[in-house]
Amino acid sequence: EVQLVQSGAEVKKPGESLKISCKGSGYRFNSYWIGWVRQMPGKGLEWMGNIYPGDSDTTYSPSLQGQVTISVDRSISTAYLQWSSLKASDTAMYYCARRAAGYCSGGSCYFEYWGQGTLVTVSS
Amino acid sequence: SYELTQPPSVSVSPGQTARITCSGDALPKQYAYWYQQKPGQAPVLLIYKDTERSSEIPERFSGSTSGTTVTLTISGVQAEDEADYYCQSVDSSATSMMFGGGTKLTVL
Repeated sequence: EVQLVQSGAEVKKPGESLKISCKGSGYRFNSYWIGWVRQMPGKGLEWMGNIYPGDSDTTYSPSLQGQVTISVDRSISTAYLQWSSLKASDTAMYYCARRAAGYCSGGSCYFEYWGQGTLVTVSS
Repeated sequence: SYELTQPPSVSVSPGQTARITCSGDALPKQYAYWYQQKPGQAPVLLIYKDTERSSEIPERFSGSTSGTTVTLTISGVQAEDEADYYCQSVDSSATSMMFGGGTKLTVL
């Protein structure tokens, strides 16, 4: 059974750093893109970026590039989303999700499996 | 930047048919996908490649496409279908993913 298990809720102050995680199991972790999706309070879903664990190839949303870093540790089948300096506007639920196998250009650019979400609250 | 446009809300009585649209200039060339999200839960994939139903999704959910608009149709709506629905696609170069703004389905 495919599972994505995310780290627990975080409460941080503006300016602090943070790294949240997403551990995959039940499938070949290195062979499927993992994406991160933001959902601000009361708002819709926003794609942040994807990483391919096999070679750490990463794509970011143009609107979020430079604001977050997506990484992976293949040895423990875990993907990460990190911030170097949080802002209050980073307060949101963050989901990781596994993309379908195949190329985006071939119609496989969607998320089949989702983690349970990590709530990040940034407040002074 | 490329956007997908959905109506903010759709209301329907139980047993009726709900149609949720999603418009985008690249949709004639790129596939669309649909997700359902209930309060406090992660999204669930409903439809992929415009019309293919994901596993274990009831047959009352279907997808269709026409030009720059894709449509999620829920036939015989049930109270449990009340949720937010999101379309998702990619830009014309298939490098960036994006979601529509979401549609809140209310079952009257």
